[in-house]
Amino acid sequence: EIVLTQSPGTLSLSPGERATLSCRASQSVSSSYLAWYQQKPGQAPRLLIYGASSRATGIPDRFSGSGSGTDFTLTISRLDPEDFAVYYCQQYGSSPYTFGQGTKLEIK
Amino acid sequence: QVQLQESGPGLVKPSQTLSLTCTVSGGSISSGGYYWGWIRQHPGKGLEWLGYIFHSGSTYYNPSLKSRVSMSVDTSKNQFSLKLNSVTAADTAVYYCARKGLIGWFDPWGQGTLVTVSS
Repeated sequence: EIVLTQSPGTLSLSPGERATLSCRASQSVSSSYLAWYQQKPGQAPRLLIYGASSRATGIPDRFSGSGSGTDFTLTISRLDPEDFAVYYCQQYGSSPYTFGQGTKLEIK
Repeated sequence: QVQLQESGPGLVKPSQTLSLTCTVSGGSISSGGYYWGWIRQHPGKGLEWLGYIFHSGSTYYNPSLKSRVSMSVDTSKNQFSLKLNSVTAADTAVYYCARKGLIGWFDPWGQGTLVTVSS
């Protein structure tokens, strides 16, 4: 099973700042089969990024994903107040599919 | 656009079977090109993939739950279902259904339903 470790656990930033979230895999994720989701309180996760770097439909271009192998990054270029939420990475390169434990992005 | 909605009992007794149904609207389960999955989230915790099913009935389960989980699909009702047997308090979670592409990400998700295991 591939274990995904996200860092930091909590990130405190202000609107307008740049956010960099990390997802590290315990072994290589094949074909960059990695997705990122955003979850707000009381809501279901929403797909942001798939294939490590492809934005899902309707996702603003301030969200970008990068990385390969075992190291992946989600970058939010300029934080909007609506971006403060919990972010999860997920690998779907091998079974069982696994998720990271999440990074909480909070307003500073 | 496709929407998913979970339904089922919010309270299940220990050792019994948890049963949930996901109703799909805005698209047909039978159209192919997608799998239909279940994910759960323990209170205040992360996400755990449970499994997914194709409209043909082919299933893929998380090995950690494989002995207790089963999924089925009813194309006539555009629904798919989850059964988890021999539940304990550790199965208390919000259960989500979601559509999965042939490759593997989940989109969209249902709103989720909280299932509590308690006597």
